[in-house]
Amino acid sequence: RKEVEQDPGPFNVPEGATVAFNCTYSNSASQSFFWYRQDCRKEPKLLMSVYSSGNEDGRFTAQLNRASQYISLLIRDSKLSDSATYLCVVISGSARQLTFGSGTQLTVLP
Amino acid sequence: DTGVSQNPRHKITKRGQNVTFRCDPISEHNRLYWYRQTLGQGPEFLTYFQNEAQLEKSRLLSDRFSAERPKGSFSTLEIQRTEQGDSAMYLCASSSLLGQGASGANVLTFGAGSRLTVL
Repeated sequence: RKEVEQDPGPFNVPEGATVAFNCTYSNSASQSFFWYRQDCRKEPKLLMSVYSSGNEDGRFTAQLNRASQYISLLIRDSKLSDSATYLCVVISGSARQLTFGSGTQLTVLP
Repeated sequence: DTGVSQNPRHKITKRGQNVTFRCDPISEHNRLYWYRQTLGQGPEFLTYFQNEAQLEKSRLLSDRFSAERPKGSFSTLEIQRTEQGDSAMYLCASSSLLGQGASGANVLTFGAGSRLTVL
C-alpha cells in the first residue's frame, strides 16, 4: 500500500461548482499535512497547510481526520484558474522528507 | 533572490552518458531537497541536505546517483551511466528551519525543475 493515496481523477466540473478531494495516509504517526498545487509542466506550489481543527482560506477548506487517516480539500465556487493537479503531502515520523501523493487532476470547464 | 533556480532546464542525453544538474536554493534556506517526478505521479523523495550535510537518502537513489552540497549553498545531482528509466523531471526544493508552519513542519519552495530525457 502506498504511504499516501489520492484519487487520480480527472475531475471535470463546471465553473461555480463545489468539488472535494480526499487523500488517505498509511502512517498513523504522521504529523503534518499539506495541499500543494501543480500546474501543467510547472513546479508544485504550496496551497495550504492542514491543521487539526480544519482551516479555510477563501474558497478553499482543508480538513484532517486522524481517526480515519485522511485529509480533504474542498473548493467552492470553482474558477477556470483552479484547473491544476492537487497534491496531498504528508510528513511522518522523524523523517524530514515530505511524501507526496500522486495527485488529483482538476479541470474546471466554462 | 527570486527563488530556487535549477539548470539546465532541459537535458537530452544518450544512454550511458553522465549528466549533472545544479540547484541554487533561496539564499537564507539551509535545507535542500531533491525529488524526482514522472508523468502522472507525485514527486518522489531522493535526498535531503541540511547545510552541507546529506542527512537522508532514499533507496530510490542507486549507486549511479550522487548529490553534493559542498558549501551549504548550491547543490549538484549527478547521474552516471544514465538509463532510459532515469528520464524524469528532477525537482529541487529548499526550506528554512525558521520557515515553519503552525504545525512545525517544513514548507518547501520548489525550483522549476530539470527535465531529463535519456534516449
